[in-house]
Amino acid sequence: GESVGLHLPTLSVQEGDNSIINCAYSNSASDYFIWYKQESGKGPQFIIDIRSNMDKRQGQRVTVLLNKTVKHLSLQIAATQPGDSAVYFCAERRTGRRALTFGSGTRLQVQP
Amino acid sequence: KAGVTQTPRYLIKTRGQQVTLSCSPISGHRSVSWYQQTPGQGLQFLFEYFSETQRNKGNFPGRFSGRQFSNSRSEMNVSTLELGDSALYLCASSSDQVGIDYGYTFGSGTRLTVV
Repeated sequence: GESVGLHLPTLSVQEGDNSIINCAYSNSASDYFIWYKQESGKGPQFIIDIRSNMDKRQGQRVTVLLNKTVKHLSLQIAATQPGDSAVYFCAERRTGRRALTFGSGTRLQVQP
Repeated sequence: KAGVTQTPRYLIKTRGQQVTLSCSPISGHRSVSWYQQTPGQGLQFLFEYFSETQRNKGNFPGRFSGRQFSNSRSEMNVSTLELGDSALYLCASSSDQVGIDYGYTFGSGTRLTVV
């Protein structure tokens, strides 16, 4: 069935390095994508979003890249900090629908 | 401005009981969505309300229901609780206005444990 998936369940990086979290989606009708960060005991926190008519969007220390040809989404975190340790989810929204479909999540561990 | 508020934060219920969870969206947001999060199934969409009407519904049994009030606050109800209903229930609000970023803001959730 249609799904949003992640390539790696756990990513471990050194403090100060750049992190890249990947996500594959299968529905070409998706028009909007969001990355969320979830810390233990908290709800998902919005990081950055991108619409399907864009290839790249940048925020503060984060960049999202969208490759519609291969249905791939990535989140790049520059100069990763211990506070970035969390589970990261990608989510897609299909055109005309309100529901978000979430990936299974990637745990980012930042080593000091 | 205040974020999304969910109450209560924690609940323990017995199998067979029913439960009501509450969500107050960000002021001005008229769309409220509910999600269930479990270790096994991840985040799954339950339903979405806009202007007191259910617009979308996920693949959950009829035991899961919700409603939205005129002030956009929303409640969800689970009847005849089962052990498998133990989960973190998350509410998300959005402005749902054309031209406005659609970012969905989540609350901290209600942790429901069914024993």
